[in-house]
Amino acid sequence: NAGVTQTPKFQVLKTGQSMTLQCAQDMNHNSMYWYRQDPGMGLRLIYYSASEGTTDKGEVPNGYNVSRLNKREFSLRLESAAPSQTSVYFCASSPGTAVEDIQYFGAGTRLSVL
Amino acid sequence: RKEVEQDPGPFNVPEGATVAFNCTYSNSASQSFFWYRQDCRKEPKLLMSVYSSGNEDGRFTAQLNRASQYISLLIRDSKLSDSATYLCVVNPGYNTDKLIFGTGTRLQVFP
Repeated sequence: NAGVTQTPKFQVLKTGQSMTLQCAQDMNHNSMYWYRQDPGMGLRLIYYSASEGTTDKGEVPNGYNVSRLNKREFSLRLESAAPSQTSVYFCASSPGTAVEDIQYFGAGTRLSVL
Repeated sequence: RKEVEQDPGPFNVPEGATVAFNCTYSNSASQSFFWYRQDCRKEPKLLMSVYSSGNEDGRFTAQLNRASQYISLLIRDSKLSDSATYLCVVNPGYNTDKLIFGTGTRLQVFP
């Protein structure tokens, strides 16, 4: 009963390093999302993908790239990490067919950039 | 003005108390509404969707007031396990896939 799986759970980077956060869902959902959550800011959308092969910017896309590798997987890449990217990152998925759709979240990745 | 606004709390209530949270949204064309629950250091999980007629799930009641553009969540007979942050979430309707999350209201239930 996996749902949405994110890896890694924790990561510490030095400024300028790169890394990729992985996300996979097994619910055959069309839409996938990457959010970041910071204290007092709530969840903010970084990028989303409405279907395999498409991606769109969200509210805070700068400094990030994404890849929708196939229907199951949606990765988030930090090319040159900055301390401002220290945050908790959540991946989510939804059926993507109606406004009533519920989003299901992964357990999150806690990233610290030193 | 934020698209979705919530009182951050914290609301500190004793077990057995009734507590209510409100949330306002700015886009009158918003299509759907949800309450999510987020435990400390965990992911958000759906608590309940909010329907125009109002809906109830056990001790939880959600109401939608489109005219005043607010959503409410009422928790009756609070349990220690209800301690969490409650996120008000709105689909603004201009894009099926996007949800707007409030910053959350923290509830702490004490013995």
